[in-house]
Amino acid sequence: GQNIDQPTEMTATEGAIVQINCTYQTSGFNGLFWYQQHAGEAPTFLSYNVLDGLEEKGRFSSFLSRSKGYSYLLLKELQMKDSASYLCAVRDNAGNMLTFGGGTRLMVKP
Amino acid sequence: DSGVTQTPKHLITATGQRVTLRCSPRSGDLSVYWYQQSLDQGLQFLIQYYNGEERAKGNILERFSAQQFPDLHSELNLSSLELGDSALYFCASSVFGQETQYFGPGTRLLVL
Repeated sequence: GQNIDQPTEMTATEGAIVQINCTYQTSGFNGLFWYQQHAGEAPTFLSYNVLDGLEEKGRFSSFLSRSKGYSYLLLKELQMKDSASYLCAVRDNAGNMLTFGGGTRLMVKP
Repeated sequence: DSGVTQTPKHLITATGQRVTLRCSPRSGDLSVYWYQQSLDQGLQFLIQYYNGEERAKGNILERFSAQQFPDLHSELNLSSLELGDSALYFCASSVFGQETQYFGPGTRLLVL
């Protein structure tokens, strides 16, 4: 099975940088995804890591260490619209199923 | 807009009833996934279909079933509804099964 942990809530200031951590223990691994979800809306794809290292996409970066079962999402130059939940998800070996963590609710304050 | 559509947007029904949720994947996507999101359980994978065939199954209750039709749209059937089935139900799609999944806007189900 899969066990995915991320902090429940975080608060940061507009313009700052925030790092959201995700640790996982899985029986199989075929990639880690980050999604953003505003309340009541659909999860929106942010990033994907399957190899160790950093993937950068504009203000968002994601890092993966497979040996440590660890990932983080880095958000730079925070904007008020970044207030949302951030979901970490691991894909199984068969490449079908995504198992999601409980999500981290980020509040960006002025 | 992900290109995945779901209907209806909202559904209110009573315990014991049966409902059908519909999903149309993005153009060209062959895989459809169903997820349930409740307040206490987060986003849970239910089932995946690929080109009309069931591919993977998660923690889907026996009261729930799904199918994917030749035009690739999918339906999730929920029967003998209980209060605890109240949740957001999302459909996602991907081209085959190994790529990024794109989510639809969801159907909010309220069982009274």
